[in-house]
Amino acid sequence: DSGVTQTPKHLITATGQRVTLRCSPRSGDLSVYWYQQSLDQGLQFLIQYYNGEERAKGNILERFSAQQFPDLHSELNLSSLELGDSALYFCASSVGWYTEAFFGQGTRLTVV
Amino acid sequence: KNEVEQSPQNLTAQEGEFITINCSYSVGISALHWLQQHPGGGIVSLFMLSSGKKKHGRLIATINIQEKHSSLHITASHPRDSAVYICAGVFDTDKLIFGTGTRLQVFP
Repeated sequence: DSGVTQTPKHLITATGQRVTLRCSPRSGDLSVYWYQQSLDQGLQFLIQYYNGEERAKGNILERFSAQQFPDLHSELNLSSLELGDSALYFCASSVGWYTEAFFGQGTRLTVV
Repeated sequence: KNEVEQSPQNLTAQEGEFITINCSYSVGISALHWLQQHPGGGIVSLFMLSSGKKKHGRLIATINIQEKHSSLHITASHPRDSAVYICAGVFDTDKLIFGTGTRLQVFP
């Protein structure tokens, strides 16, 4: 158990819908990262938050947004969903940056 | 362009064999992660290193900053080591770029 909790574990939704994925980091970790893993693209970095502020942005679509709340949990919002958004979405947390990151179990999103 | 390349893509081994997985990157990084992903999908962080060598049990990770290359070694491999191993470079502002992974199968 990494100490990072992601909910839900599985999510099935229709095209055009909006979903929210939630991540609770390990106690004491200030950084939260979001990653997408699809069959054709592999693992890709989406976005990082540190202590409530956006710190780095990767290949995140404009239809996707994220935030980190004062209690340090984070949410990834995916809207106007397309079939190609079906993937595993991982959250990871670390104490700061350039430090070891711990991964949650992932949320498997299926868009039908 | 930030790139991370891994080799081999697939690797099979007999139990007890010494295994090496390689990772190279195109430009300077501040650190490199080695991750393990099991068939169920969960990801475990094995190592994060920015220089030299780290060892944990039967796993050893090395990095050569000048040559922009890192290796993950598994000694006395075991079927439970079967997984996908992924390296990821930490480029500016902590942005992680992942390699495509190496699928390892260890047979008894």
